[in-house]
Amino acid sequence: KAGVTQTPRYLIKTRGQQVTLSCSPISGHRSVSWYQQTPGQGLQFLFEYFSETQRNKGNFPGRFSGRQFSNSRSEMNVSTLELGDSALYLCASSLGRGAFNYGYTFGSGTRLTVV
Amino acid sequence: GESVGLHLPTLSVQEGDNSIINCAYSNSASDYFIWYKQESGKGPQFIIDIRSNMDKRQGQRVTVLLNKTVKHLSLQIAATQPGDSAVYFCAERRVDSSYKLIFGSGTRLLVRP
Repeated sequence: KAGVTQTPRYLIKTRGQQVTLSCSPISGHRSVSWYQQTPGQGLQFLFEYFSETQRNKGNFPGRFSGRQFSNSRSEMNVSTLELGDSALYLCASSLGRGAFNYGYTFGSGTRLTVV
Repeated sequence: GESVGLHLPTLSVQEGDNSIINCAYSNSASDYFIWYKQESGKGPQFIIDIRSNMDKRQGQRVTVLLNKTVKHLSLQIAATQPGDSAVYFCAERRVDSSYKLIFGSGTRLLVRP
């Protein structure tokens, strides 16, 4: 059974550029959440998608956006990149909202470096 | 809080000893708790979970204890091995409309050979 797949694994971008990260959840999982991990702020919730709809959003500026496709794959986009956006971006999939399962399974993340 | 800085609390244990990692959670209405292990360069890996209607749950070499009275969660690792060295996070799930996970600040476990 394939896990959560995030692509790309590493990215280097310049300030002002935009970036799109991809997440393919575990087959059958319908909920995808995104988290940002930095040494200073830890793991912070970005947003959650379920059935192609954003269900919740964390305290991040509008430069951070996302979407989910009918096959549950999700993408997140960050526009007008800032140095502070450098982080590990993690995607987690779960069976569904409110489901008790074997946790929310995380991918290996995309390491974004903004220079 | 949710911040994990360069100065993570560190627990250093001798190989073969038992480890206990503690976590205080913030919301008495949280219904589900998860412990994750994160190794360098990897995403968090599920270890064990527990629902709020339980006090204890056991897995292979791991036990999670939940004390709702004081909003405290602990992870016990029996016979700690070098491969257990990692950062451990607890996460709570809120039962409001968000269902998002709120992560603790993390504890670094170092296993001395």
